[in-house]
Amino acid sequence: SAVISQKPSRDICQRGTSLTIQCQVDSQVTMMFWYRQQPGQSLTLIATANQGSEATYESGFVIDKFPISRPNLTFSTLTVSNLSPEDSSIYLCSFGLAGMNTQYFGPGTRLTVL
Amino acid sequence: GDSVTQMEGPVTLSEEAFLTINCTYTATGYPSLFWYVQYPGEGLQLLLKATKADDKGSNKGFEATYRKETTSFHLEKGSVQVSDSAVYFCALVPNDYKLSFGAGTTVTVRA
Repeated sequence: SAVISQKPSRDICQRGTSLTIQCQVDSQVTMMFWYRQQPGQSLTLIATANQGSEATYESGFVIDKFPISRPNLTFSTLTVSNLSPEDSSIYLCSFGLAGMNTQYFGPGTRLTVL
Repeated sequence: GDSVTQMEGPVTLSEEAFLTINCTYTATGYPSLFWYVQYPGEGLQLLLKATKADDKGSNKGFEATYRKETTSFHLEKGSVQVSDSAVYFCALVPNDYKLSFGAGTTVTVRA
């Protein structure tokens, strides 16, 4: 099965700055997703990263705050912009394969905003 | 809309005890059902899944059976170990690809 990795694994950022998280899969996959897990909470889908087109955002998430790129079938980035302490969370990417409804998750990026 | 309800934790057990985590769902149609596990400081791992009624998913001694009549997918393990301490998430995928997660149940196993 495909292996998925994320960079960085954790970071501490200052208020007002931005952090870009990279997600890499070692084989081509159809669908990639980004999730947020706030402290002690479950996972919330931010957006579906579409290859070669704009991401599809869920209610409550906007492109200006969470710009996403997906230049090919193995790679995606999520930027969390204009950081505030409320953005302190774990951000996870996942992928799904064509014809299968199972998602596999990366190890996550733990973001702390001071 | 589609949703998952998990029993609230935290759950604390002794080693070799029996573990049950209840999960019920609300969905139209016939969703696929999943259990994911998150070990301390790590991402999510797929533990097991079931895609149709009466299917039983199993992995690492854990089992769950897709019960359409009771809209449930309870997770069970007969003899837990300290290494099973983690947060367990029940989830479903309806007809599309979007995962809906339960709130998660924190399990602590004491030696």
